[in-house]
Amino acid sequence: DGGITQSPKYLFRKEGQNVTLSCEQNLNHDAMYWYRQDPGQGLRLIYYSQIVNDFQKGDIAEGYSVSREKKESFPLTVTSAQKNPTAFYLCASSSRGGGDSYEQYFGPGTRLTVT
Amino acid sequence: GESVGLHLPTLSVQEGDNSIINCAYSNSASDYFIWYKQESGKGPQFIIDIRSNMDKRQGQRVTVLLNKTVKHLSLQIAATQPGDSAVYFCAENIGQGGKLIFGQGTELSVKP
Repeated sequence: DGGITQSPKYLFRKEGQNVTLSCEQNLNHDAMYWYRQDPGQGLRLIYYSQIVNDFQKGDIAEGYSVSREKKESFPLTVTSAQKNPTAFYLCASSSRGGGDSYEQYFGPGTRLTVT
Repeated sequence: GESVGLHLPTLSVQEGDNSIINCAYSNSASDYFIWYKQESGKGPQFIIDIRSNMDKRQGQRVTVLLNKTVKHLSLQIAATQPGDSAVYFCAENIGQGGKLIFGQGTELSVKP
Protein backbone atom coordinates (compact mmCIF):
# COMPACT_ATOMS: atom_id res chain seq x y z
CA ASP A 1 0.00 0.00 0.00
CA GLY A 2 2.04 2.93 -1.31
CA GLY A 3 1.81 6.46 -0.03
CA ILE A 4 3.03 9.17 2.29
CA THR A 5 2.58 9.03 6.03
CA GLN A 6 2.88 11.88 8.47
CA SER A 7 2.82 11.49 12.19
CA PRO A 8 1.36 12.46 14.49
CA LYS A 9 -1.91 13.92 13.15
CA TYR A 10 -2.11 16.40 16.04
CA LEU A 11 0.83 17.76 18.02
CA PHE A 12 0.87 20.10 20.98
CA ARG A 13 3.97 21.84 22.30
CA LYS A 14 4.89 24.58 24.68
CA GLU A 15 6.49 27.73 23.37
CA GLY A 16 10.30 27.53 23.35
CA GLN A 17 10.47 23.82 22.56
CA ASN A 18 11.75 22.35 19.33
CA VAL A 19 9.50 19.75 17.71
CA THR A 20 10.12 17.32 14.85
CA LEU A 21 7.43 16.29 12.39
CA SER A 22 7.78 12.96 10.65
CA CYS A 23 7.28 12.29 6.93
CA GLU A 24 7.83 8.91 5.28
CA GLN A 25 7.11 7.78 1.72
CA ASN A 26 7.32 4.38 0.03
CA LEU A 27 6.69 5.66 -3.50
CA ASN A 28 10.39 5.58 -4.41
CA HIS A 29 10.22 9.31 -5.13
CA ASP A 30 13.41 11.34 -5.33
CA ALA A 31 11.92 14.70 -4.34
CA MET A 32 10.21 15.61 -1.09
CA TYR A 33 8.66 18.87 0.12
CA TRP A 34 7.38 20.54 3.27
CA TYR A 35 4.58 23.11 3.17
CA ARG A 36 2.90 25.22 5.78
CA GLN A 37 -0.81 26.08 5.53
CA ASP A 38 -2.54 28.74 7.61
CA PRO A 39 -6.33 29.17 7.79
CA GLY A 40 -7.80 30.58 4.61
CA GLN A 41 -4.51 30.52 2.77
CA GLY A 42 -2.68 28.44 0.22
CA LEU A 43 0.39 26.29 0.68
CA ARG A 44 3.74 27.94 1.31
CA LEU A 45 6.96 26.03 0.68
CA ILE A 46 9.28 25.65 3.67
CA TYR A 47 12.01 23.31 2.40
CA TYR A 48 12.42 20.83 -0.41
CA SER A 49 14.84 18.08 -1.31
CA GLN A 50 15.41 16.75 -4.80
CA ILE A 51 17.79 13.99 -3.78
CA VAL A 52 19.18 12.28 -0.70
CA ASN A 53 21.63 14.38 1.34
CA ASP A 54 20.61 17.57 -0.42
CA PHE A 55 17.90 20.14 0.36
CA GLN A 56 17.06 23.76 -0.41
CA LYS A 57 15.21 26.53 1.38
CA GLY A 58 11.76 27.40 0.18
CA ASP A 59 9.93 30.69 0.64
CA ILE A 60 9.55 30.57 4.44
CA ALA A 61 12.51 28.54 5.77
CA GLU A 62 13.35 30.77 8.74
CA GLY A 63 12.85 28.94 12.03
CA TYR A 64 12.75 25.50 10.41
CA SER A 65 15.34 22.80 9.67
CA VAL A 66 15.30 19.53 7.73
CA SER A 67 17.45 16.51 6.98
CA ARG A 68 17.38 13.98 4.15
CA GLU A 69 19.55 11.06 5.20
CA LYS A 70 17.31 8.46 3.58
CA LYS A 71 15.28 8.56 0.38
CA GLU A 72 12.12 7.55 2.25
CA SER A 73 12.31 10.11 5.05
CA PHE A 74 12.27 13.93 5.26
CA PRO A 75 11.71 15.08 8.85
CA LEU A 76 10.99 18.73 9.61
CA THR A 77 12.07 20.40 12.86
CA VAL A 78 10.17 23.47 13.99
CA THR A 79 12.60 25.36 16.19
CA SER A 80 11.95 27.86 18.93
CA ALA A 81 13.13 30.56 16.51
CA GLN A 82 9.92 30.17 14.47
CA LYS A 83 7.78 33.10 15.66
CA ASN A 84 4.37 31.72 14.79
CA PRO A 85 4.63 27.93 14.54
CA THR A 86 0.96 27.01 14.99
CA ALA A 87 -0.19 25.78 11.58
CA PHE A 88 -1.09 22.77 9.45
CA TYR A 89 2.04 21.15 8.01
CA LEU A 90 1.93 19.11 4.81
CA CYS A 91 4.60 16.85 3.37
CA ALA A 92 4.66 15.85 -0.30
CA SER A 93 6.80 13.85 -2.66
CA SER A 94 7.21 13.64 -6.42
CA SER A 95 9.19 11.76 -9.00
CA ARG A 96 11.17 14.91 -9.78
CA GLY A 97 9.35 15.69 -12.99
CA GLY A 98 9.91 12.43 -14.78
CA GLY A 99 7.73 12.09 -17.88
CA ASP A 100 4.95 14.60 -18.32
CA SER A 101 3.93 15.09 -14.73
CA TYR A 102 5.13 17.21 -11.84
CA GLU A 103 2.37 15.88 -9.63
CA GLN A 104 3.14 16.00 -5.94
CA TYR A 105 1.58 13.38 -3.67
CA PHE A 106 0.58 14.73 -0.28
CA GLY A 107 0.45 13.19 3.15
CA PRO A 108 -2.51 13.66 5.53
CA GLY A 109 -0.83 16.55 7.37
CA THR A 110 0.14 17.33 10.96
CA ARG A 111 -1.66 20.05 12.87
CA LEU A 112 0.81 21.67 15.25
CA THR A 113 -0.40 23.85 18.11
CA VAL A 114 2.12 25.78 20.19
CA THR A 115 0.95 27.54 23.35
CA GLY B 1 1.06 38.97 17.21
CA GLU B 2 -1.78 36.74 16.13
CA SER B 3 -2.28 36.45 12.39
CA VAL B 4 -5.69 37.06 10.91
CA GLY B 5 -6.89 34.43 8.47
CA LEU B 6 -7.96 35.57 5.07
CA HIS B 7 -11.34 34.67 3.70
CA LEU B 8 -11.05 32.31 0.77
CA PRO B 9 -13.01 33.13 -2.36
CA THR B 10 -16.17 31.05 -2.17
CA LEU B 11 -18.32 29.51 -4.88
CA SER B 12 -21.72 28.21 -3.92
CA VAL B 13 -23.61 25.99 -6.37
CA GLN B 14 -26.69 23.82 -6.38
CA GLU B 15 -26.27 20.06 -6.56
CA GLY B 16 -26.38 18.95 -10.17
CA ASP B 17 -25.23 22.28 -11.59
CA ASN B 18 -21.88 22.76 -13.28
CA SER B 19 -19.12 24.57 -11.37
CA ILE B 20 -16.36 26.72 -12.78
CA ILE B 21 -13.40 27.61 -10.59
CA ASN B 22 -10.94 30.17 -11.91
CA CYS B 23 -7.27 30.77 -11.31
CA ALA B 24 -4.88 33.45 -12.54
CA TYR B 25 -1.28 32.31 -12.65
CA SER B 26 1.75 34.46 -12.31
CA ASN B 27 4.47 33.44 -14.72
CA SER B 28 4.24 33.27 -18.50
CA ALA B 29 7.12 30.74 -18.46
CA SER B 30 5.11 28.20 -16.46
CA ASP B 31 4.93 24.96 -18.41
CA TYR B 32 2.73 22.74 -16.26
CA PHE B 33 -0.43 23.32 -14.25
CA ILE B 34 -2.30 21.18 -11.78
CA TRP B 35 -5.52 21.27 -9.80
CA TYR B 36 -5.85 19.83 -6.31
CA LYS B 37 -8.87 19.26 -4.09
CA GLN B 38 -8.46 19.61 -0.33
CA GLU B 39 -11.12 18.48 2.10
CA SER B 40 -11.13 19.92 5.59
CA GLY B 41 -8.24 18.65 7.73
CA LYS B 42 -6.77 16.50 4.95
CA GLY B 43 -3.94 16.69 2.47
CA PRO B 44 -4.59 17.90 -1.11
CA GLN B 45 -5.60 15.30 -3.68
CA PHE B 46 -4.74 15.42 -7.38
CA ILE B 47 -7.64 16.17 -9.73
CA ILE B 48 -6.21 16.90 -13.15
CA ASP B 49 -3.16 18.46 -14.78
CA ILE B 50 -2.29 20.10 -18.10
CA ARG B 51 0.89 21.06 -19.89
CA SER B 52 1.36 24.44 -21.54
CA ASN B 53 1.29 22.95 -25.06
CA MET B 54 -2.41 22.11 -24.52
CA ASP B 55 -5.42 24.36 -23.99
CA LYS B 56 -7.92 21.77 -22.76
CA ARG B 57 -7.87 18.45 -20.98
CA GLN B 58 -10.77 16.33 -19.78
CA GLY B 59 -11.09 13.84 -16.99
CA GLN B 60 -14.01 12.16 -15.33
CA ARG B 61 -16.56 14.97 -14.75
CA VAL B 62 -13.74 17.55 -14.79
CA THR B 63 -12.24 19.71 -17.51
CA VAL B 64 -9.29 22.05 -17.25
CA LEU B 65 -8.96 24.99 -19.65
CA LEU B 66 -5.75 26.93 -20.13
CA ASN B 67 -5.59 30.39 -21.69
CA LYS B 68 -1.95 31.37 -21.95
CA THR B 69 -2.73 34.73 -23.52
CA VAL B 70 -4.27 36.03 -20.32
CA LYS B 71 -2.53 33.57 -17.95
CA HIS B 72 -5.78 32.03 -16.82
CA LEU B 73 -6.66 28.51 -15.79
CA SER B 74 -10.11 27.15 -15.03
CA LEU B 75 -11.53 23.94 -13.61
CA GLN B 76 -14.98 22.88 -14.69
CA ILE B 77 -16.86 20.28 -12.67
CA ALA B 78 -19.91 18.77 -14.33
CA ALA B 79 -23.00 17.77 -12.35
CA THR B 80 -21.55 18.95 -9.05
CA GLN B 81 -22.21 16.68 -6.09
CA PRO B 82 -22.12 17.31 -2.30
CA GLY B 83 -18.90 15.28 -2.15
CA ASP B 84 -17.27 17.92 -4.35
CA SER B 85 -17.45 20.43 -1.50
CA ALA B 86 -13.85 21.31 -0.68
CA VAL B 87 -11.14 23.90 -1.28
CA TYR B 88 -9.65 23.78 -4.77
CA PHE B 89 -6.10 24.92 -5.48
CA CYS B 90 -4.37 25.56 -8.74
CA ALA B 91 -0.59 25.29 -8.95
CA GLU B 92 2.00 26.06 -11.61
CA ASN B 93 5.47 24.72 -12.34
CA ILE B 94 8.32 26.62 -13.90
CA GLY B 95 11.38 24.81 -15.23
CA GLN B 96 12.76 21.39 -14.35
CA GLY B 97 12.95 21.60 -10.60
CA GLY B 98 9.50 20.23 -9.89
CA LYS B 99 8.56 23.01 -7.48
CA LEU B 100 4.92 24.00 -7.55
CA ILE B 101 3.62 27.49 -6.81
CA PHE B 102 0.15 27.31 -5.27
CA GLY B 103 -2.67 29.79 -5.59
CA GLN B 104 -4.77 30.91 -2.61
CA GLY B 105 -7.57 28.45 -3.26
CA THR B 106 -11.34 28.64 -3.80
CA GLU B 107 -13.86 27.08 -1.46
CA LEU B 108 -16.63 25.23 -3.28
CA SER B 109 -19.86 24.73 -1.38
CA VAL B 110 -22.52 22.45 -2.88
CA LYS B 111 -26.10 22.88 -1.70
CA PRO B 112 -28.28 19.75 -1.79
